[in-house]
This record gives sequence, structure tokens and C-alpha cells, in this order.
Amino acid sequence: NAGVTQTPKFQVLKTGQSMTLQCAQDMNHNSMYWYRQDPGMGLRLIYYSASEGTTDKGEVPNGYNVSRLNKREFSLRLESAAPSQTSVYFCASRIDGAAMNTEAFFGQGTRLTVV
Amino acid sequence: DQQVKQNSPSLSVQEGRISILNCDYTNSMFDYFLWYKKYPAEGPTFLISISSIKDKNEDGRFTVFLNKSAKHLSLHIVPSQPGDSAVYFCAASGHGANSKLTFGKGITLSVRP
Repeated sequence: NAGVTQTPKFQVLKTGQSMTLQCAQDMNHNSMYWYRQDPGMGLRLIYYSASEGTTDKGEVPNGYNVSRLNKREFSLRLESAAPSQTSVYFCASRIDGAAMNTEAFFGQGTRLTVV
Repeated sequence: DQQVKQNSPSLSVQEGRISILNCDYTNSMFDYFLWYKKYPAEGPTFLISISSIKDKNEDGRFTVFLNKSAKHLSLHIVPSQPGDSAVYFCAASGHGANSKLTFGKGITLSVRP
């Protein structure tokens, strides 16, 4: 039982390059989230998906797009990377955030550096 | 506007003593509150939670207290151990449009041997 799996774990991009961060969960959760963690800023929500087929913007969505490919997978895409997107990215999932009070489970993170 | 606030960035306590981590929130629609612990180079892990219908929840050395009128919660760790040294995040959520988990900035706890 892997829980929440993120790939890759590390990535270095040049400014303007694009990439997709992958996230998959095997817990049959409905809700999935993408956060970024920056020093002194805590965990800020980029996008979330309350259920398969829906996505919504979080606190810091600019420069990102997401795809809820199916119930298991939720990807985050940077179309044109900028140095300001250097961060650690975390994917999380939750049984059903809209209807139930439960905890979210996090992946191990992707450390992204944009040069 | 920051809906979940952890105003103290760090806390240092002696091993065996109590650690008290504080958190304030502004959104009255929040009805579920969580604490997460994070070690370097790892993802956050769930520690303890409390529903707004309660004012206290205890799990071993960890107790969370909720004061709804003050929109304040705290995490007590007794006794503190060196392995508790980590970043602690407070989080909150509600239902419907408020169902996404909103986190504070975190508190770095250092437990001195």
C-alpha cells in the first residue's frame, strides 16, 4: 500500500521550460490537492480536485495547470517555468473533503529548482 | 488574507517539559482542525485532529484544545522528546466551499536533550 506517490522527487529546469509533476494515490480517495512549501510561507494550496472530473483554484494558481486524469491521478503542469516557482511541491489526498471531516495524506514531495 | 495563523515561527523547550504550540483562525466556517508534523525532506504526516463539537482531543502525549469563541487552538506535547523536533503545521477545513485544507505557516519546535 503505497499511499500517495509523487514523481519525480527532484528536478532542475531552465527558465521557460515546461514539465508535469505526477501524483497518484491508491487509497480510493475522492479529493486531491497540490501545495507548495516555501520558507516562511507554510503550505499554500495551488489547485485542488474535490472529486474526479472537477478542479478548482487554490491560493496561488498562477503559472500552473492541473489535470485530474482519473480518480487515482492528479497532475500539475508548469507551462513556462519561472525562478519564482522554485519550491517543494506536495500532493495530498483525502477521502472526501467536501462531505467528511478526515485527514489528508501527503506524498514525499518534489523539490523543483528553476534556474 | 491568512485564515490560519501560527504567529510564533519557532519554539525551543527542554526534554521532558511541555511544548505548547498555538494556532488562530479567522474563518468561522471552519469546523475541523488538524495538526501535522513535518521532518526535513519528508511529506507532512497527520498527528491529531479535533472537530468543532469538541473542545479537547487526546492521543498519547499529544492533546489538542479548541476554543471556538476565541477561534484558537493549541497543541500540547507532554513530555516533549528530542524526536519531536520538527515543523508543526496547523490546518483547518469546513464543508462545501470551505472543504479544502488551509494551512498555517508552521512552527519549528526544537526539543533540547
